[in-house]
Amino acid sequence: LAKTTQPISMDSYEGQEVNITCSHNNIATNDYITWYQQFPSQGPRFIIQGYKTKVTNEVASLFIPADRKSSTLSLPRVSLSDTAVYYCLVGGAPSGSARQLTFGSGTQLTVLP
Amino acid sequence: GAGVSQSPSNKVTEKGKDVELRCDPISGHTALYWYRQSLGQGLEFLIYFQGNSAPDKSGLPSDRFSAERTGGSVSTLTIQRTQQEDSAVYLCASSLAHRRGAKNEQFFGPGTRLTVL
Repeated sequence: LAKTTQPISMDSYEGQEVNITCSHNNIATNDYITWYQQFPSQGPRFIIQGYKTKVTNEVASLFIPADRKSSTLSLPRVSLSDTAVYYCLVGGAPSGSARQLTFGSGTQLTVLP
Repeated sequence: GAGVSQSPSNKVTEKGKDVELRCDPISGHTALYWYRQSLGQGLEFLIYFQGNSAPDKSGLPSDRFSAERTGGSVSTLTIQRTQQEDSAVYLCASSLAHRRGAKNEQFFGPGTRLTVL
């Protein structure tokens, strides 16, 4: 099981870049790394997904080192509306079982004015 | 376009009663997942459906929990003889497919908040 470890919480200020790192030491060869964002009273929402190196979309970047044992979600110039819980998810176990798609406890990001 | 919908949005029940929670996935999505999220906690996987294959029930916490998916679309999660510890938000998600190593973006519904008194 690809267990993930993230910081419980982080604080930042508006306009700063925020980097949240997730450890996943026993990631499997076929596993993708996905990040989700969750606001209170809502379901999680997909942010970005990657397999290796760097992925960038309109809202975030994802950095994955060569050994893939960790990944870093980068949010440029955060605003108050980025205050949310961010989950790192590693999935796609060799068995193909969805049991492997287990979310960790997430990182509560609080953006301060 | 239409996203994943869940009903009811809130459910209050008494201990010992049975409850049914409904999930309408995005049309065309063959994979459907149920999760449970207790207050301030992460998501706990419950059950997964993929097309016509047998569901992966490995996350169900007890035999009081069951789920079915009719016609490969709508799913119902049933909790029998509810207990206070069942109080949580139950989230449903769907995706195009769940394949080994493939991108499996899950689209989540708003959840059903279950309170067992």
